[in-house]
Amino acid sequence: GQQLNQSPQSMFIQEGEDVSMNCTSSSIFNTWLWYKQEPGEGPVLLIALYKAGELTSNGRLTAQFGITRKDSFLNISASIPSDVGIYFCAEGSSNTGKLIFGQGTTLQVKP
Amino acid sequence: DTGVSQNPRHKITKRGQNVTFRCDPISEHNRLYWYRQTLGQGPEFLTYFQNEAQLEKSRLLSDRFSAERPKGSFSTLEIQRTEQGDSAMYLCASARGDRGFYEQFFGPGTRLTVL
Repeated sequence: GQQLNQSPQSMFIQEGEDVSMNCTSSSIFNTWLWYKQEPGEGPVLLIALYKAGELTSNGRLTAQFGITRKDSFLNISASIPSDVGIYFCAEGSSNTGKLIFGQGTTLQVKP
Repeated sequence: DTGVSQNPRHKITKRGQNVTFRCDPISEHNRLYWYRQTLGQGPEFLTYFQNEAQLEKSRLLSDRFSAERPKGSFSTLEIQRTEQGDSAMYLCASARGDRGFYEQFFGPGTRLTVL
């Protein structure tokens, strides 16, 4: 079945640094989504990507849908302490909308 | 603005007991999804509804699990004869029925602990 691999598994960075994380798949995807989850809460949608090559920003966050349709990256610029959380990539099934999630990248930011 | 709500937020039960969780989606969303999340993993799809119709169930959803959405509004997820392996966070998400169904809004989850 489909499998998403996220890297790195965890990151510990200094406030103000830029962050980059990515997600790869063995299959071609039609939709990439990036979610953030904080402790004790459900995931929150950050960015949705629908076309190969698409580059989309949401404030300090930028994500791209790889042209091979098998990968995506998420960048966070000038990190702040509230960026702490687990970032998940997900693929959306074209028929049902069910999401397949990666294992997540845990981000910690040191003030 | 009311988001997706789930009740209870936490449930502790003994093995063999039945439990039921409730999800109230965003009112104008006609799609409703249930996911399960274990520690250190991403959410895993369980089932989804379009209005009151349950259209897909994952193989993860054994016959001890049943979900309903009787009037196309709130949904319930019941687990019968709970097992320790059922301990997890159960997440509900809702979405519009058009292309927006990829963009799912999650509730805070119900954390189940089976002793």
